[in-house]
Amino acid sequence: DTAVSQTPKYLVTQMGNDKSIKCEQNLGHDTMYWYKQDSKKFLKIMFSYNNKELIINETVPNRFSPKSPDKAHLNLHINSLELGDSAVYFCASDEKTRGTETQYFGPGTRLLVL
Amino acid sequence: SQKIEQNSEALNIQEGKTATLTCNYTNYSPAYLQWYRQDPGRGPVFLLLIRENEKEKRKERLKVTFDTTLKQSLFHITASQPADSATYLCALSTGNNRKLIWGLGTSLAVNP
Repeated sequence: DTAVSQTPKYLVTQMGNDKSIKCEQNLGHDTMYWYKQDSKKFLKIMFSYNNKELIINETVPNRFSPKSPDKAHLNLHINSLELGDSAVYFCASDEKTRGTETQYFGPGTRLLVL
Repeated sequence: SQKIEQNSEALNIQEGKTATLTCNYTNYSPAYLQWYRQDPGRGPVFLLLIRENEKEKRKERLKVTFDTTLKQSLFHITASQPADSATYLCALSTGNNRKLIWGLGTSLAVNP
């Protein structure tokens, strides 16, 4: 029944490693987002895909690469992890074509880079 | 520069009182503004949306106002309850690309 799900919920890893976070939504939405929420609780958009097409690409290091295999999934791969990547990463979705602007968020992935 | 500001300090109120949270913005012309609630360890949850041509929106004990002249939105919770304790985020959207710009949030604690 979960609308937007993310895995893993927690991720602890060493600097320099490569890791992926997965997101799936079962709401039938056409647009998905990745946000980063840092320790100061600021929620910053990173990427957005609409029907598998990248539509928002904020100033994010190119170590971060999103991939959308279909409109229900949006994954985030991070290469060469750095200490500053430690944060909570939220996936969200909404429906662009029906004009509903409400975003539905996943539970977050807490990434800690040691 | 463009900014969204919410009450930076935590708000503590007594149960039963009305909580009022503020969201101010500069150098934006938002098409609409939204309020979300975020509990510790969870993602934000949508509460209310108000458009630029609307002055006020209500939903049960919640009320949002939008003053595009003052560039301000107020979020009210009447008859507050301890279960209303959370962080409340405002977010605005200016264009068709649907990007939301987020405030830092205000932490509300309702004391029994």
